[in-house]
Amino acid sequence: VRLAVSGGGVVQPGRSLRLSCAASGFTFRGSAMHWVRQAPGKGLEWLAFISYDAQTKYYAGSLKGRVTISRDNSENQVYLQINSLTTEDTALYYCAKDFDTHYSCDHWGQGTLVTVSS
Amino acid sequence: QSALTQPPSASGSPGQSVAISCTGTSSDVGGYNFVSWYQQHPGKAPKLMIYEVTKRPSGVPDRFSGSKSGNTASLTVSGLQAEDEADYYCSSYAGSKWIFGGGTKLTVL
Repeated sequence: VRLAVSGGGVVQPGRSLRLSCAASGFTFRGSAMHWVRQAPGKGLEWLAFISYDAQTKYYAGSLKGRVTISRDNSENQVYLQINSLTTEDTALYYCAKDFDTHYSCDHWGQGTLVTVSS
Repeated sequence: QSALTQPPSASGSPGQSVAISCTGTSSDVGGYNFVSWYQQHPGKAPKLMIYEVTKRPSGVPDRFSGSKSGNTASLTVSGLQAEDEADYYCSSYAGSKWIFGGGTKLTVL
């Protein structure tokens, strides 16, 4: 299983960003996916979930509608769009594979760093 | 929703056992048997150690065990080894969302 996250970098406050996670080594179209972030020196924060068929999406309430999760099963990719970025969004963003029916994440990518700064 | 409550630190000597607690509410830890524990070494991605309160994924040593009573879950590491030194996070499904604990830094003395 490999999850390669990309799209991070330095972004100005107020701008938007789309992160990508390229999956391989498992049946992507049959797996739900999560996004989780970790601010520098801080703990893990769950952000979003998308079912295998994109019919079900869950979001953390703290994101206040600024985030959209999506996927392309033909490309084995899952995405996270974040709008109206603030400095509090500075973090390492991980995508993780859902451990089917077990309500946990059994594989994680290495993450991509997003720094929100003017 | 607030993060689950974990002690910031825990420690033990090699060969000893140490338990890390994770306290939530009846809406998360107490309401579902979907508590997971993750190990994270510095600069690395988290690794699943326990799922569904007590189950170990393939490859995780049986020195790691989980339990739950009411709104509090626990991870116990027996026979501590140097490589167990890491940050540990609990997580619970909470109905259409997941919540993590604040993390516990485990030090092997």
